[in-house]
Parts: sequence; structure tokens; C-alpha cells
Amino acid sequence: DAGVIQSPRHEVTEMGQEVTLRCKPISGHDYLFWYRQTMMRGLELLIYFNNNVPIDDSGMPEDRFSAKMPNASFSTLKIQPSEPRDSAVYFCASSLGSLKGAWVSEAFFGQGTRLTVV
Amino acid sequence: SQELEQSPQSLIVQEGKNLTINCTSSKTLYGLYWYKQKYGEGLIFLMMLQKGGEEKSHEKITAKLDEKKQQSSLHITASQPSHAGIYLCGAGSYGNKLVFGAGTILRVKS
Repeated sequence: DAGVIQSPRHEVTEMGQEVTLRCKPISGHDYLFWYRQTMMRGLELLIYFNNNVPIDDSGMPEDRFSAKMPNASFSTLKIQPSEPRDSAVYFCASSLGSLKGAWVSEAFFGQGTRLTVV
Repeated sequence: SQELEQSPQSLIVQEGKNLTINCTSSKTLYGLYWYKQKYGEGLIFLMMLQKGGEEKSHEKITAKLDEKKQQSSLHITASQPSHAGIYLCGAGSYGNKLVFGAGTILRVKS
């Protein structure tokens, strides 16, 4: 397997524009996580899905952020409209849920998308 | 919600020296994960601990989870420049939510 694939790797956009980040999880994994990493706030969990269903989106900062997972092999994180403070590295990760349901197995991370909003 | 505190925030050690990074949880840990990140790259999984008192090793890195399952330590023996990076601890909680500490930046001087 090629691992978790994110695209694009780098994105530079102007304030006010719509930005869409994409993620392809590892085949067979049933959990997908979106994180944002900045120097100030570290690695923040934005939202996560189980079997394509959003479970917890309490980390999504504002209504400008939305995420979807239309099928098991694809997810998007959209920011509309984008603002300079959204500049960060966005990571997608996937994992296989534990049979016991108490915790997930280790998560595998993509290489991230470095977003710059000017 | 689950909160993880890592210490120290950053660390500079001389090559060959040992070091320890700590991770403390506000709640009982059901799964504790250690990851390493190089600048500009994704996180690489190191180890996962589940049971109180559990200890795992990989090459020169050893991680332990205390009996109460609220604190973990990562110990590197005879550090090398290749060990430099950011070390993050992550915790699984009810509902399979996976959150992370702020990270510890490690620099190794040769």
C-alpha cells in the first residue's frame, strides 16, 4: 500500500478564496482523522470519521471549515473563505479501529498539505 | 476532554548522551502512542502502549507506561543525530478519538 496520500503538498492562495484539501486513506482502514499543525497550537484534531460518518467535529474552528468523506477511499477538507490565520500544515491520518472499541490501532499519517493564505 | 502535557518542550543534548521525554495525561490512558516527526514531514509511528507497567523498545528507544496509566516516558540511549526531530505522544480515548500533546523538539549536537 502507498500509505495515506494527501494532495496538494503545497497550496498558496489568496484570502477569501476557497481551498480544498484531499486525502486518500489506507485501504481497509475505517477511521480517518484531519489535523492542523501550527507552531503556536501544535497538532490539533479537527474532525474524525468512522466508516465514512463524522464522529466528532468539535475541533473544527469555524463554519468556514467543512469536511466530507463520500466513500471509504476519499475525504476532503474545505475552507471557504480562507483567511491568513488558516495558514498551517494540515494532516490526514487513517487507522484500523480496535475490535474492543476502546481505542484505535496506530494511525498512519500522510505527508501533509502546507497551506499558505496571503 | 483528554489533555496531554509533554515535557520538556525542547531539548538539546550532546551526541552519545541519554535523554528522557515525559507525557502526562489528565485522564486514564487507554492507548498511548509515541510518534516522531521530521521538519516538514508527516508523523512516523514509534510505539503503542496499552497496559499499565508496559514497556517496549525499538533499537535505542524505550517507552514505558506507568501502572496508573496516566504517565508515559520515552527514553533514548546514546543519542545520535538521526534521533533529532519532534516527538509527540498521542492518546486514544472513548470513541476512538486520537489527540496529541504539544510535542518535544529534540536537537542532538555532534
